[in-house]
Amino acid sequence: GNSVTQMEGPVTLSEEAFLTINCTYTATGYPSLFWYVQYPGEGLQLLLKATKADDKGSNKGFEATYRKETTSFHLEKGSVQVSDSAVYFCALSDSNYQLIWGAGTKLIIKP
Amino acid sequence: NAGVMQNPRHLVRRRGQEARLRCSPMKGHSHVYWYRQLPEEGLKFMVYLQKENIIDESGMPKERFSAEFPKEGPSILRIQQVVRGDSAAYFCASSPLRGGDTEAFFGQGTRLTVV
Repeated sequence: GNSVTQMEGPVTLSEEAFLTINCTYTATGYPSLFWYVQYPGEGLQLLLKATKADDKGSNKGFEATYRKETTSFHLEKGSVQVSDSAVYFCALSDSNYQLIWGAGTKLIIKP
Repeated sequence: NAGVMQNPRHLVRRRGQEARLRCSPMKGHSHVYWYRQLPEEGLKFMVYLQKENIIDESGMPKERFSAEFPKEGPSILRIQQVVRGDSAAYFCASSPLRGGDTEAFFGQGTRLTVV
């Protein structure tokens, strides 16, 4: 079946470091891909999305490119801040409504 | 426009009691989705509802769990005779259209603890 695999956490970085959180997927057809973020004590927020191969989603300095050939959607940011500390979820939509989720990656940024 | 509102935020129930989780979608949204997040795991789809209709409940356990989204009022996820394994975070999401590329907006979740 369809699935999403994420890099295990926690990922601990210093402020201004480069961030990569790996996400790979297995799916039939052409799913849409998403990154959601969950800040401490809050709900899930859509961070960015891509709906077809080679699309790049971007928001708040984060980017991810839909790579069909490697079935990946890695999240990157050039310079992280303490305020980026959160749990990041990669997800795909393989139907009109159902999201398939990765397990989440906790990101800790130290000043 | 208020976001998706879930209540309560935290719920503690003894084994065998009933748990009722409420979700008020964003204004103008008629599609509601419930997900469950077990500790250290990703979210798992439970059920998709439109006003007064259950569209897909393939992720719902067959027993003790039920969901509704009445014409008036919030969507309710009901768990009867709770057991320790029901302890989890339950998230509700809503969208104005059927999902896929349409962004689903999530509530803050209800954290259920069964003691």
